[in-house]
Order: sequence, then C-alpha cells, then structure tokens
Amino acid sequence: AQSVTQPDIHITVSEGASLELRCNYSYGATPYLFWYVQSPGQGLQLLLKYFSGDTLVQGIKGFEAEFKRSQSSFNLRKPSVHWSDAAEYFCAVGGDYKLSFGAGTTVTVRA
Amino acid sequence: SQTIHQWPATLVQPVGSPLSLECTVEGTSNPNLYWYRQAAGRGLQLLFYSVGIGQISSEVPQNLSASRPQDRQFILSSKKLLLSDSGFYLCAWSWQRGGADTQYFGPGTRLTVL
Repeated sequence: AQSVTQPDIHITVSEGASLELRCNYSYGATPYLFWYVQSPGQGLQLLLKYFSGDTLVQGIKGFEAEFKRSQSSFNLRKPSVHWSDAAEYFCAVGGDYKLSFGAGTTVTVRA
Repeated sequence: SQTIHQWPATLVQPVGSPLSLECTVEGTSNPNLYWYRQAAGRGLQLLFYSVGIGQISSEVPQNLSASRPQDRQFILSSKKLLLSDSGFYLCAWSWQRGGADTQYFGPGTRLTVL
C-alpha cells in the first residue's frame, strides 16, 4: 500500500530564511510525487510534481523539490521565505488509481 | 481553461439531517472526479472517485454516498448526518485516472454538524 509521512507537523521560519519540508513515501513501484499548498479555508494548489527525469523539480512561487529514491524522500525547499508562504503544505504519492496524502505541515512565517 | 466549483462554501446542519454537496467542472469533458474529506491534522482522505457518468467507486464505507448524474457534475450526499461527518470537503478532477496525473481541487465546503 502507498503512504506518505510528513514528519514535521508545524514549522516556524523567519521571513527571508530558507525553508525545507520533509516528505517520505512508501510505494512499491516508481512513484508519482506531488506537493500541494493550502491557504486557510481554501482548496489545494499544485506547487510541483515529479513523474520522471531530472530529480530536482522546479515549481511555482520559487519552490523546488528533490526526489531521492534511495531515501524514499521528496523534500520541498525554498531559499527565501515570504510572509505569503504561510500555509499548510501537503506531500502526495500517486499510485495505481489514487493519490495518498500526508497529514500536512503547517508553516508559520514570522517577521 | 478549466474551472471547478463547489457549493455551498459553508454549511451548518443538525445531526440526522440530509446532506447534498455539489461539484461541477467547466472547460473539460469526461474528467475523473474525486471527493475528499479533510479533518484537522489528518490530511486528506479519499471518499469516492468516478471515471464516468454513473460510475462511482467508494474508498471508505461510511455514512456518505456519491453520484454523478452528468459528465461534469459530482454530488456527495447523506441521508442522515452524524457528528463525525463534520469536516472540510474537497472535490477534485483530473484528466487521467488515478495517481499518475495531477488533480485540481475546488475551493471546498466547510460542513459543521451540530
């Protein structure tokens, strides 16, 4: 069965500092991996996805993620955080017929 | 371009009352459609998905049902709501079936059962 673990429930970061959100997945075959962002009371917006090819994936809003098969990880990074990046972030793995989501990481940005 | 709508945006219902949440997609045909429920701190749980009109697959046995009466319309229903049905309900669509394709989410419906 496919699953996703996001070890950090909540992260606080200063504006302008770097951000890294961890994601570990479990899936028997080559995974399809996604990062979504959710602002309070809103739906989910796709940040980036990995299907194949280059293991470093660029997304919207200055985010990037790196797929590491040996570590079963797909961590999300941003070099310099803006106050508007405060939100909840979800990692997901795509299997045969569905996406499985992690529990999410809430990011707070302090001035 | 494609747009996904959900209504209502918020809903407060008493225990035992019926439920109907609607999701519609514009700008595409024969989309794959999904209903998720999001509880605080628990991520998203897939409830139902549909690959075509009248075709519904249920992920989790529960108090809810889904229907797809038209190609781009997906409805989530209940005959009698339970307190545990409270949550944030999200509809999504994708071109391809399953996990190998991006899913695009609607704005969600906040349901509170009292």
